[in-house]
Amino acid sequence: QLQLQESGPGPVKPSETLSLTCTVSGGSISNSRFYWGWIRQPPGKGLEWIGSIYYSGSTYYNPSLQSRVTISVDTSRNQFSLMLSSVTAADTAVYYCARHSDDLWSHFDYWGQGTLGTVSS
Amino acid sequence: DIVMTQSPDSLAVSLGERATINCKSSQSVLYSSNNKNYLAWYQQKPGQPPKLLIYWSSARESGVPDRFSGSGSGSDFTLTISSLQAEDVAVYYCQQYYNTPFTFGPGTKVDIK
Repeated sequence: QLQLQESGPGPVKPSETLSLTCTVSGGSISNSRFYWGWIRQPPGKGLEWIGSIYYSGSTYYNPSLQSRVTISVDTSRNQFSLMLSSVTAADTAVYYCARHSDDLWSHFDYWGQGTLGTVSS
Repeated sequence: DIVMTQSPDSLAVSLGERATINCKSSQSVLYSSNNKNYLAWYQQKPGQPPKLLIYWSSARESGVPDRFSGSGSGSDFTLTISSLQAEDVAVYYCQQYYNTPFTFGPGTKVDIK
């Protein structure tokens, strides 16, 4: 059974960089069929797609965040990561990693449990 | 960006009764070359990640009870819970994956009356 698990170092201060990692188990991130994505949800609010990556490193970002986002992949560790720079309190959210069910233009079929990314001075 | 809207914002339905949630996209998410609607529905319970219910607007994910069904095409879609159960209390989101940026509706909260 595929499982995804988000992890991160803890709260970050405004203007710093939020860094999160998603570890995939029960399947290979190098499977050429799938894309992998990040989605976030501010407390009590809706869902926002941040971006997605292919095992080769090809990335697609939400234009609203593109200037601050970097998503990378480490196939040797079966992980992909999110870096969000110049954060503000508005970036406080639960961050989910998820798998596209097929190519990039497909629904998200597996999700991690989410991790709270807190921006606080 | 494709803007997704949902109605109602919330609804309360008696146990065993039907619940209907509507989703509208600002442009069609029907891809003519394969006749597929790039529209999914998710269920989210408090403290949990979203769970996929329906994809391609009407295909039910494996393991999802058959009381959940999706319909619609183009820009107008519906999620129906035919007989509401207590465990269906949740927020429901639609999502388009036709174009990047992929976008979600604002959610519809379903409660028991």
